Amino acid sequence: QVQLVESGGGLVKPGGSLRLSCAASGFTFSDFYMSWIRQAPGKGLEWVSYISSSGSTIFYANSVRGRFTISRDNAKNSLYLQMNSLRVDDTAVYYCVREGREGGAFDIWGQGTMVTVSS
Amino acid sequence: QSVLTQPPSASGTPGQRVTFSCSGSSSNIGSNAVNWYQQLPGTAPKLLIYNNNQRPSGVPDRFSGSKSGTSASLAISGLQSEDEVDYYCAAWDDSLSGMVFGGGTKLTVL
Repeated sequence: QVQLVESGGGLVKPGGSLRLSCAASGFTFSDFYMSWIRQAPGKGLEWVSYISSSGSTIFYANSVRGRFTISRDNAKNSLYLQMNSLRVDDTAVYYCVREGREGGAFDIWGQGTMVTVSS
Repeated sequence: QSVLTQPPSASGTPGQRVTFSCSGSSSNIGSNAVNWYQQLPGTAPKLLIYNNNQRPSGVPDRFSGSKSGTSASLAISGLQSEDEVDYYCAAWDDSLSGMVFGGGTKLTVL
């Protein structure tokens, strides 16, 4: 079935780095735009970054621009998020999501992976 | 502070019709489609309404969406206890070149 599975979350100190991965299955990954969306504990949803199907177009939220890098490997059906210079306020569940509908709607979500930035 | 504005809470009784608002600006709702998501506690959000008023397969027709100018609304008719979860609106923002979300509305079924 259509599925997104994130991995790579964990505990990291402020200023540290972490790389999240997302494995896609059940659909033609290379046909879809993908995003990362995060949710801090007890807070709302925050869009982090977006990458087009070919990887040629990328956008970042102002809060992560210059620190995070999104990428994809269509041959491996995988999406990545390299997170550098992590801050305490980056602590959140990070979701890998597929943009699969008109209007930029996110129709498939992974289960999320928790990133905790703490000293 | 979220770019899109949603009331933090709403309530209704079983069987009632409730409406949630989502307010934005000309750079987001005013020029792009609005999508709505439903989130049960401890789970990933689920797409509820896309492209302002379209329902994915499997979403009951009790849920409906609309948009006018720089505001959008989500309506739930025939309110059920299982609807007592969080709802988020979202739209692309041309000025920010990014997707923006509302802060979410927590629905209580009395």
